[in-house]
Amino acid sequence: QSALTQPASVSGSPGQSITISCTATSSDVGNFNLVSWYQQCPGKAPKLIIYEVNKRPSGISNRFSGSKSGNTASLTISGLQAEDEADYYCCSYADVSTWVFGGGTKLTVL
Amino acid sequence: EVQMVESGGGLVQPGGSLRLSCVASGFTFRGYSMNWVRQAPGKGLEWISYIGSGGTTIYSADSVKGRFIISRDNAKNSLYLQMNSLRAEDTAVYHCARDGPRRAFDIWGQGTVVTVSS
Repeated sequence: QSALTQPASVSGSPGQSITISCTATSSDVGNFNLVSWYQQCPGKAPKLIIYEVNKRPSGISNRFSGSKSGNTASLTISGLQAEDEADYYCCSYADVSTWVFGGGTKLTVL
Repeated sequence: EVQMVESGGGLVQPGGSLRLSCVASGFTFRGYSMNWVRQAPGKGLEWISYIGSGGTTIYSADSVKGRFIISRDNAKNSLYLQMNSLRAEDTAVYHCARDGPRRAFDIWGQGTVVTVSS
């Protein structure tokens, strides 16, 4: 059981927006200010899409955005596209110099 | 092109050992901390070990502490993971990942498959 809880699956139609939540269920995730999100397409390595809760690395579409409220971080994908279909993982850097991943969310584009 | 390529995976019996390697290119390897992250079949990601840029600062997950040893050779742009006392639950794809901005993993290798089975 991960200290970060994500929904197992979400779905949306092309053009819609979806939000994936990541809830800290344990104090083992530190102050929850260093949350990152990763996209993993089938058979591929994970790809960083959000870091430090809401920052996008260079080259990542502005359709991807991150936020946090209390002990829940969220990833929003707007203008959903077929190529967004993938697994998404949140991750938090904990105070004791360890990292914790959420269980992952499978996004299906209908 | 910035990339990292893992090797050394394979089939090993329970209790056995294996050494993984990750060769980096396209960036100044010695300037970055590095990590190993694994993914069991059909499961999520699990961080397992970190090493600072100089090789002296090391952290490991409880699940591998005392069995896995991370190391690096900056002269060879290489990261290693010595895995001892392997268990069936260590079966996974093992990725090396660069420690990027604000403790996020910004560059990943494609991974190498480790299967622990008799």
